[in-house]
Amino acid sequence: GAVVSQHPSWVICKSGTSVKIECRSLDFQATTMFWYRQFPKQSLMLMATSNEGSKATYEQGVEKDKFLINHASLTLSTLTVTSAHPEDSSFYICSAGVTGFAQPQHFGDGTRLSIL
Amino acid sequence: AQSVTQLGSHVSVSEGALVLLRCNYSSSVPPYLFWYVQYPNQGLQLLLKYTSAATLVKGINGFEAEFKKSETSFHLTKPSAHMSDAAEYFCAVSEDSGGYQKVTFGIGTKLQVIP
Repeated sequence: GAVVSQHPSWVICKSGTSVKIECRSLDFQATTMFWYRQFPKQSLMLMATSNEGSKATYEQGVEKDKFLINHASLTLSTLTVTSAHPEDSSFYICSAGVTGFAQPQHFGDGTRLSIL
Repeated sequence: AQSVTQLGSHVSVSEGALVLLRCNYSSSVPPYLFWYVQYPNQGLQLLLKYTSAATLVKGINGFEAEFKKSETSFHLTKPSAHMSDAAEYFCAVSEDSGGYQKVTFGIGTKLQVIP
């Protein structure tokens, strides 16, 4: 149980295009979804937290207009990287969780984004 | 804000040897602690979690961790390393951030298992 599907797993696109990444909880309803960015050989950096039906809470230094997050239902959240540039190239990971600070998050397999 | 410190970004052990990955946390309240494992180009998989029920927590794949409040530690151990244990391991702490859960990760420890 507690499977999170993230799609696509790999994206290569030209600079200036927008890229949408989907995160779905397949067998449970996720009240909260998280988006992380991971640089090579580094830990996960939380970008934003989203709760179904409300606006995402962005971490300091993360551009809201650059990284658009939509959490339209309890099983789907999307991250759109708008007008992507090479510096946006990274490994993006989503996770989903249920209410409660003792509950672990369940992670997708990540999306490797490469901007040419 | 809580924080997590993982000592040793790289750890090498021989196959069959004891695995010890260190994690220390800072917290002003009882923490919720987790260990995750990440294989290359994949997301994170939960190994085990501490939620105050028991100080010694057993997880998947033979791993366990002991919560020591006096040392503010939550080290991960496994008696005998397997080649398949080679991966990156992250310690994490969960906290209340304005009513929402916020998880802070350590920098990770890359475990190498030598045949």
